[in-house]
Amino acid sequence: SFELTQPPSVSVSPGQTARITCSGDELPKQYAHWYQQKPGQAPVLVIFKDSERPSGIPERFSGSSSGTTVTLTISGVQAEDEADYYCQSGDTIRTYWVFGGGTKLTVL
Amino acid sequence: EVQLVQSGAEVKKPGESLKISCKPSGYRFTNYWIGWVRQMPGKGLEWMGIIYPDDSDTRYSSSFQGQVTISADRSIGTAYLQWNSLKASDTAMYYCARLSYADSFFDYWGQGTLVTVSS
Repeated sequence: SFELTQPPSVSVSPGQTARITCSGDELPKQYAHWYQQKPGQAPVLVIFKDSERPSGIPERFSGSSSGTTVTLTISGVQAEDEADYYCQSGDTIRTYWVFGGGTKLTVL
Repeated sequence: EVQLVQSGAEVKKPGESLKISCKPSGYRFTNYWIGWVRQMPGKGLEWMGIIYPDDSDTRYSSSFQGQVTISADRSIGTAYLQWNSLKASDTAMYYCARLSYADSFFDYWGQGTLVTVSS
């Protein structure tokens, strides 16, 4: 099977840059996507296909990929960015989708 | 505007059956796969399965195969997630989401349906 590994938590001060990683052996072959989930709310797509940003998502959210690791970067973190972040990937040939375990971003 | 509206919260007893729904709007229902995602209390997201409403082609995660049934009624534009015999461990929030299949991401999500199973 296909697993994605994220750090459980990341903490940053307001205005700093937060980087959340996601690792998986299949990531060189498959796109990764990122979702933000605030308490009591449904997930929201913030990055798709490694580095593309949906309309309406602030420019401070960006994504990158290198080998078996993808990274979500939030530049100039704001208090409202405090949330859980999940990476996700999928294999349309094996018809398998998977989420990482999630990372809790704390804004100090 | 794309929206996915899910049915309301449910409280059930172990052994009971349940069918929850997801009704998308703002796009052609039969053109996109719909996925279901579980989130147990305080835990992460788990992919359960997907359905293509045009022909009801369905794929399940191995973790959920045989435990739930995913279906769709194209005549009323609604997708469903169903249990025949609930267990306490089915207590969770369940989300439906539209899947961009070719690129494998979920671009729009429902608000979630909380299912509580307790005797």
